[in-house]
Amino acid sequence: QKEVEQNSGPLSVPEGAIASLNCTYSDRVSQSFFWYRQYSGKSPELIMSIYSNGDKEDGRFTAQLNKASQYVSLLIRDSQPSDSATYLCAVNVGTGRRALTFGSGTRLQVQP
Amino acid sequence: GAVVSQHPSWVICKSGTSVKIECRSLDFQATTMFWYRQFPKQSLMLMATSNEGSKATYEQGVEKDKFLINHASLTLSTLTVTSAHPEDSSFYICSARSDETEQFFGPGTRLTVL
Repeated sequence: QKEVEQNSGPLSVPEGAIASLNCTYSDRVSQSFFWYRQYSGKSPELIMSIYSNGDKEDGRFTAQLNKASQYVSLLIRDSQPSDSATYLCAVNVGTGRRALTFGSGTRLQVQP
Repeated sequence: GAVVSQHPSWVICKSGTSVKIECRSLDFQATTMFWYRQFPKQSLMLMATSNEGSKATYEQGVEKDKFLINHASLTLSTLTVTSAHPEDSSFYICSARSDETEQFFGPGTRLTVL
């Protein structure tokens, strides 16, 4: 089982819709969770971080964490064509480990 | 967010040569820097973790004698790909963090070995 799993997609949504991206992780002691956006040929860009159960909102983005279910998600409201990218879920797996473990990413396509 | 730069942004070299990639944190002191590699259509794979002033910790399967990492200061880490071969062609990305910050990524270096 991979440590961080994501559906590779592509996830296709119409412009203006809500895009929902999901991620599961295997290590129960994981403390920190991140969503990165990566455009083709570019390096990842941090969108959201979340550390405690519940929702965290930042503009059009909402991250949701459920540690009991080992599940983290990212909602993008009012999706725009410019949101089309690969979204990487990253987790600090284990305690005291500073490196991030990345999922394989979900490719999002927002159709104009 | 904090700024991390990489140089060069792309490099083409002949098989058997060595290539050095620099990673700099521009507006904060990076106690830890990470080096990742990303092959086309794949996710980022951690190669090594380096803490300033100490030897890098390499991930399983990454040859430390082939991928030399130096983290001599709090703002600079270098990755040298020694005796590069075509299978080393990849997108190399560094990231940096301090004790107070989250991890920020450099723009990446695309290496092509002919």
